[in-house]
Amino acid sequence: AQSVAQPEDQVNVAEGNPLTVKCTYSVSGNPYLFWYVQYPNRGLQFLLKYITGDNLVKGSYGFEAEFNKSQTSFHLKKPSALVSDSALYFCAVRDHPGDMRFGAGTRLTVKP
Amino acid sequence: EPEVTQTPSHQVTQMGQEVILRCVPISNHLYFYWYRQILGQKVEFLVSFYNNEISEKSEIFDDQFSVERPDGSNFTLKIRSTKLEDSAMYFCASRGLDSIYGYTFGSGTRLTVV
Repeated sequence: AQSVAQPEDQVNVAEGNPLTVKCTYSVSGNPYLFWYVQYPNRGLQFLLKYITGDNLVKGSYGFEAEFNKSQTSFHLKKPSALVSDSALYFCAVRDHPGDMRFGAGTRLTVKP
Repeated sequence: EPEVTQTPSHQVTQMGQEVILRCVPISNHLYFYWYRQILGQKVEFLVSFYNNEISEKSEIFDDQFSVERPDGSNFTLKIRSTKLEDSAMYFCASRGLDSIYGYTFGSGTRLTVV
């Protein structure tokens, strides 16, 4: 069965600094990996995905994530954080044809 | 861009009452899902549905829960006798047959059991 772990409940960064939100996964086959963002009182919004190919994937709002098979990680990154990036971020994994499973979420706070 | 639509956005119900949460998935999608999120916490898988039957369900999805696709467009989640701990945000999602991508989520229904 697939599972995903987000080791940090909370990440705090200053505006303009780079940010990283960590995610590790466990699947029996090839993973499909995703990042979703949730703003207050809103639904889940797709950010980016890794299916195959280039290990560095780029997504919405300047976010990117790097797939590392040897470390079974898929960390979310952004070179320069904005205050408006403050939200709850969820990593998710599927192993085809399995269903999607989410991590516990990481609350990102970007301070001015 | 196609959307998954959920109604109502917020429902308040008394403990012990039945509730039905409604979802209209994207029209050409074939796989349907319900997830729930207790306020600000983890997004938990409840159930997946394909070809008019449940494909997989979690331990949360006990006999109090049921799903149905009554008319080919709606996908409903019924909770027969609500408990206080059922208070959560419930998200519906769907995906297409050939999709290897993520799911498209609705904006959720906030269920409050009092």
